[in-house]
Amino acid sequence: DAGVTQSPTHLIKTRGQQVTLRCSPISGHKSVSWYQQVLGQGPQFIFQYYEKEERGRGNFPDRFSARQFPNYSSELNVNALLLGDSALYLCASSLLAGFPETQYFGPGTRLLVL
Amino acid sequence: SQQGEEDPQALSIQEGENATMNCSYKTSINNLQWYRQNSGRGLVHLILIRSNEREKHSGRLRVTLDTSKKSSSLLITASRAADTASYFCATDVATDSWGKLQFGAGTQVVVTP
Repeated sequence: DAGVTQSPTHLIKTRGQQVTLRCSPISGHKSVSWYQQVLGQGPQFIFQYYEKEERGRGNFPDRFSARQFPNYSSELNVNALLLGDSALYLCASSLLAGFPETQYFGPGTRLLVL
Repeated sequence: SQQGEEDPQALSIQEGENATMNCSYKTSINNLQWYRQNSGRGLVHLILIRSNEREKHSGRLRVTLDTSKKSSSLLITASRAADTASYFCATDVATDSWGKLQFGAGTQVVVTP
């Protein structure tokens, strides 16, 4: 079975641009979470979606938005990019939300903002 | 600020030796998970320990949890070169929805042949 997939793998943007990152969860998983990992740090929680509804949001500005589609795939959008948005963006899926269980992470999208 | 903090920040050992790393956290948790990350790639889940559990084993991994001290430890026995990676603890603290993990900064482990 395929694991969590993310696209693109790498991306280079300039300040002020907008970017869309995509994530496909493991088949049957209904919850998707997004994390940002800046070099040298641990991942920081951005969003969690379950059954197409936002279930949680981390301490990120409104420039960050996300959505989940009927097939449970998800997109993360970042507007007005800043240099500090350069990071590895990780998507994780789990079967449910509201239940303590393992999250399965994708390989990430590495975003560089120049 | 990060909920969990790993100690040490870096660890260098030889193959066959054991590696121990610790994680301290600040608030009450639902569960604590350990993940491994190779060279800035995706995270691989290693083990989940619930707040009412004290110890769990998985292969060469042993995790302990002391909720009174708000700390956890990960032991890798008989380490291999393939264990070279960064190891993160992540705590699940949300009261309304589980799955919002808070990660520490990680322990970078290097295993030399």
